[in-house]
Amino acid sequence: KAGVTQTPRYLIKTRGQQVTLSCSPISGHRSVSWYQQTPGQGLQFLFEYFSETQRNKGNFPGRFSGRQFSNSRSEMNVSTLELGDSALYLCASSADGHPNTEAFFGQGTRLTVV
Amino acid sequence: ILNVEQSPQSLHVQEGDSTNFTCSFPSSNFYALHWYRWETAKSPEALFVMTLNGDEKKKGRISATLNTKEGYSYLYIKGSQPEDSATYLCAPNTGNQFYFGTGTSLTVIP
Repeated sequence: KAGVTQTPRYLIKTRGQQVTLSCSPISGHRSVSWYQQTPGQGLQFLFEYFSETQRNKGNFPGRFSGRQFSNSRSEMNVSTLELGDSALYLCASSADGHPNTEAFFGQGTRLTVV
Repeated sequence: ILNVEQSPQSLHVQEGDSTNFTCSFPSSNFYALHWYRWETAKSPEALFVMTLNGDEKKKGRISATLNTKEGYSYLYIKGSQPEDSATYLCAPNTGNQFYFGTGTSLTVIP
């Protein structure tokens, strides 16, 4: 079956702009979560959506937001971009988001803010 | 915030060597521990999901053990091959989010 698809793969934006990243989960999966990786840091949790509802949110400023559609596809938005937002953004898809359930990752979107 | 530590940070081994890495995490509020293998420019690949104290899982030459009481997990690779070169991540899950360590980068020299 098709894996987790993230688009775009690469993105360059200017400080102050906003950006929207997309994640299409594995068919039938209802949970999508987002992670940020900056150089030298582990993957940091942004938020998790299940059936269009945000169930959990990490410690990120309000400039980071997300949503999930009825087909489980998810988008995350970052407004007023800062240089420090340059990172790899990964999304993970899981059938139910339960801690014991395997999660599958996309290849990520590499965002560069200049 | 959960402090997850992985050691060593990086490792270079000769082809055929066996190796192991450690993942340490706080033992309270534990639900499950996930191990991932992440090759450059690819998606992290799920290796194991471990939930019970004393759990041992095996996939080919890779195996893992879990001690939830003391808060650690070991990942073992027997007879390393160049294709094992990757970053290995552990991630406890205490609810509906993962807490990732910074990983162990393994390079297997042919």
